[in-house]
Amino acid sequence: DAGITQSPRHKVTETGTPVTLRCHQTENHRYMYWYRQDPGHGLRLIHYSYGVKDTDKGEVSDGYSVSRSKTEDFLLTLESATSSQTSVYFCAIRNGTVETQYFGPGTRLLVL
Amino acid sequence: AQSVTQPDIHITVSEGASLELRCNYSYGATPYLFWYVQSPGQGLQLLLKYFSGDTLVQGIKGFEAEFKRSQSSFNLRKPSVHWSDAAEYFCAVVRNSGGYQKVTFGTGTKLQVIP
Repeated sequence: DAGITQSPRHKVTETGTPVTLRCHQTENHRYMYWYRQDPGHGLRLIHYSYGVKDTDKGEVSDGYSVSRSKTEDFLLTLESATSSQTSVYFCAIRNGTVETQYFGPGTRLLVL
Repeated sequence: AQSVTQPDIHITVSEGASLELRCNYSYGATPYLFWYVQSPGQGLQLLLKYFSGDTLVQGIKGFEAEFKRSQSSFNLRKPSVHWSDAAEYFCAVVRNSGGYQKVTFGTGTKLQVIP
């Protein structure tokens, strides 16, 4: 258990509304990640952070933004949710010098 | 570019039987390789990892994996499957990209265990 929590755990929203997902960690890890998981695609990286205010894009970043104002919190925002963003979102932290990632419990998002 | 292939989308085994889940990777340098397990409704849990050294690595829950460079494979094995092993399994490979280490996941293999 890497002390990662995600909120909310489930959310239903409507197309066009903004949505923010929160990832919180308690162990002061520098690197944090947001993934989405969809059937047949495995996990795909949306954005990652390598420190406070330091973020970068992953492979599926369109339509998403992130912020990290504190070490412990990494926020993922869907500025205007679309049905294609219906997915399960996982936050992860990196522990160690090699990319060993530990995952949060996930947020299930449904965009109607 | 790196890639990870898990050729089996779904596997069914009987409880007590042996298990092998296949993973093939494509990466030009020495890879760092991982296996994760995901139970329904849960996040991913690290089973084991290979960085270097002994090509047979032991993980949690009685799993092991063998790195075979000549075959670009990192197959996961368990000698006797338990009903609680029913889950989805993901192989992953890490590469360095500048200062960032990129993780690529396979698409997963769903394991069903029958009595």
